[in-house]
Amino acid sequence: DAGITQSPRYKITETGRQVTLMCHQTWSHSYMFWYRQDLGHGLRLIYYSAAADITDKGEVPDGYVVSRSKTENFPLTLESATRSQTSVYFCASRGTSGRASYEQYFGPGTRLTVT
Amino acid sequence: AQTVTQSQPEMSVQEAETVTLSCTYDTSESDYYLFWYKQPPSRQMILVIRQEAYKQQNATENRFSVNFQKAAKSFSLKISDSQLGDAAMYFCAYIHNNNDMRFGAGTRLTVKP
Repeated sequence: DAGITQSPRYKITETGRQVTLMCHQTWSHSYMFWYRQDLGHGLRLIYYSAAADITDKGEVPDGYVVSRSKTENFPLTLESATRSQTSVYFCASRGTSGRASYEQYFGPGTRLTVT
Repeated sequence: AQTVTQSQPEMSVQEAETVTLSCTYDTSESDYYLFWYKQPPSRQMILVIRQEAYKQQNATENRFSVNFQKAAKSFSLKISDSQLGDAAMYFCAYIHNNNDMRFGAGTRLTVKP
């Protein structure tokens, strides 16, 4: 049972380049989320998706693009990376019934460095 | 907007002792959920405990318990019989509409042998 995975785990890119972070979950959870973690801020929501082809902005969406063509995948794209986007990125998912409806399950994170 | 505040950037506890981590939040809602997540050096976010706001009884999970004071908007985590494996960052989190979870800035817990 793989759960929720992210790739790559580490990425270094240059300012202005496009980079895509991948997230895959095997639970068929309806909801998926992208967070960034920065010192002094905890985790902040970038985008979330309630189902395939349904996405919405979170607290800090500027500079990011998401898509969700399949329930199990939720890629996050930085169209033109900036140094301020250097961060650790977490993907999460949750179901819609029972205990899973409130708890979010997190992937292992991707550390992104923009030089 | 809802905010979550953890006023203790760092805390330290002796092994086998008890420690309490503080969390306050700001909301105008009456129905919401609160969580404590643990993040060890591996970076994995691990759910420690959760509390439904409509429940008056404080949640407990083995050595972990909370003191939920709804009127005061306070949600502290008590770790009893601290173990070396408890050393980690601890994040308090709030969610109302099930989509926008708000996190505090975290408390780094050190456990001394």
